[in-house]
Amino acid sequence: NAGVTQTPKFQVLKTGQSMTLQCAQDMNHEYMSWYRQDPGMGLRLIHYSVGAGITDQGEVPNGYNVSRSTTEDFPLRLLSAAPSQTSVYFCASSSPGTATEAFFGQGTRLTVV
Amino acid sequence: QKEVEQDPGPLSVPEGAIVSLNCTYSNSAFQYFMWYRQYSRKGPELLMYTYSSGNKEDGRFTAQVDKSSKYISLFIRDSQPSDSATYLCAMRTNTGNQFYFGTGTSLTVIP
Repeated sequence: NAGVTQTPKFQVLKTGQSMTLQCAQDMNHEYMSWYRQDPGMGLRLIHYSVGAGITDQGEVPNGYNVSRSTTEDFPLRLLSAAPSQTSVYFCASSSPGTATEAFFGQGTRLTVV
Repeated sequence: QKEVEQDPGPLSVPEGAIVSLNCTYSNSAFQYFMWYRQYSRKGPELLMYTYSSGNKEDGRFTAQVDKSSKYISLFIRDSQPSDSATYLCAMRTNTGNQFYFGTGTSLTVIP
């Protein structure tokens, strides 16, 4: 019962580097999303997807890119890392419609120096 | 104004105390009201949810929703050190997929 798996758990990047945060779920959920969590700011939605091939922007999309080629996977790409992107990133999945539970991964703690 | 407002605390109480956590919201279309618990360095996990107005009880936890005031609460009775965590409220509409989260309240229960 893996649920939502995020990799890596920790990452340090230099300013300007790019990287991909991986997210995979095995619950056949159509809805997947990426959040960043910063002190005092709570969970802020970066991008989301309602199914394979469909993505859309959330509250704070700048500097991030996503794609959804399969139901299971929803990677988040940082195009050119900046110190302002230092944060904890969470991937979540849920069933569409009346689902009351979003299942979260364990998070990726990213530091950009 | 954010759609969901939550006092970030921190809140510190002695073991055995009754804890009250609250959120307010502005979108009258919200129908599902959830409370998530997040332990340090972990992802949030669903604690309980309520549909529309009313109360729901689960052991030491009670969730209340007052849609007329756009106000929801989570009460924890006989609080335990293991309840120390950040509690996030979350809401969604009947039709949308998106969850709207509060900023979270940090709770510490002192033995």
